[in-house]
Amino acid sequence: EAQVTQNPRYLITVTGKKLTVTCSQNMNHEYMSWYRQDPGLGLRQIYYSMNVEVTDKGDVPEGYKVSRKEKRNFPLILESPSPNQTSLYFCASSFPQGHEQYFGPGTRLTVT
Amino acid sequence: AQSVTQLDSHVSVSEGTPVLLRCNYSSSYSPSLFWYVQHPNKGLQLLLKYTSAATLVKGINGFEAEFKKSETSFHLTKPSAHMSDAAEYFCVVSHSSASKIIFGSGTRLSIRP
Repeated sequence: EAQVTQNPRYLITVTGKKLTVTCSQNMNHEYMSWYRQDPGLGLRQIYYSMNVEVTDKGDVPEGYKVSRKEKRNFPLILESPSPNQTSLYFCASSFPQGHEQYFGPGTRLTVT
Repeated sequence: AQSVTQLDSHVSVSEGTPVLLRCNYSSSYSPSLFWYVQHPNKGLQLLLKYTSAATLVKGINGFEAEFKKSETSFHLTKPSAHMSDAAEYFCVVSHSSASKIIFGSGTRLSIRP
C-alpha cells in the first residue's frame, strides 16, 4: 500500500530534550516536506527536500533540522525543543512540484 | 512570490444547500492549485487539483472548482451539502519552478441539519 508513515504519532517531552520525528514514504517520490499545523494558521512549511541530499528552508525553519540521506526517509530533528514548538506536524511527499502531495497521519507534539 | 488567501475562516450552511469556499491566490508563475480536506482528527486528503488543463476541475464527493486567472481565484463549490462534508478545507498553491508550497489558513465548514 502506498503510504507516508510518521513516528511517533504522539509525543510529550520537556524543554531542551532533543527529539526526532521520522517520516518514510514508499512511493519513490523525489519531493518531501514537513509542515506544522496550528489553529487559525493552516499548515506552514518547515523544510522541504527536492531530492536526496537537497534540502531547503520553508517559511518557519527556526528550531528545526532535517536530513535526506535516503530517498524514502526525511526525519525532522528538534535539537532543543521549546514550548512554542508544541504543534501538530505533518510529513508529505510527492513527485516534483505541481503534483499531489501525500500526507502522513500526523505527529502531535507537546513540549512542556 | 506565491501566496494564498482563504476569504472565510468559517462557513456554515444547511444540509442540502450549496457550498462556496473562496480562495484567492498570487503567483509569479502559472500555478498549480489544490484543495485538500481535513476531517476532525484526520490527515489531509486531496479533493481536486488544477494544473493548467481544463479550468473547471471536478473532484471527489461532488466538489468542483473553477480556475479564474483574471480574478486570481480558485473557489470550491458543491451543489448540495451533506453532513459528512463538515471538515476543514485548505487551498494550496505551488509551481514546478518554485520549491515552496503555500497553504491557505483554512476554512472550517459546518453543516446544519
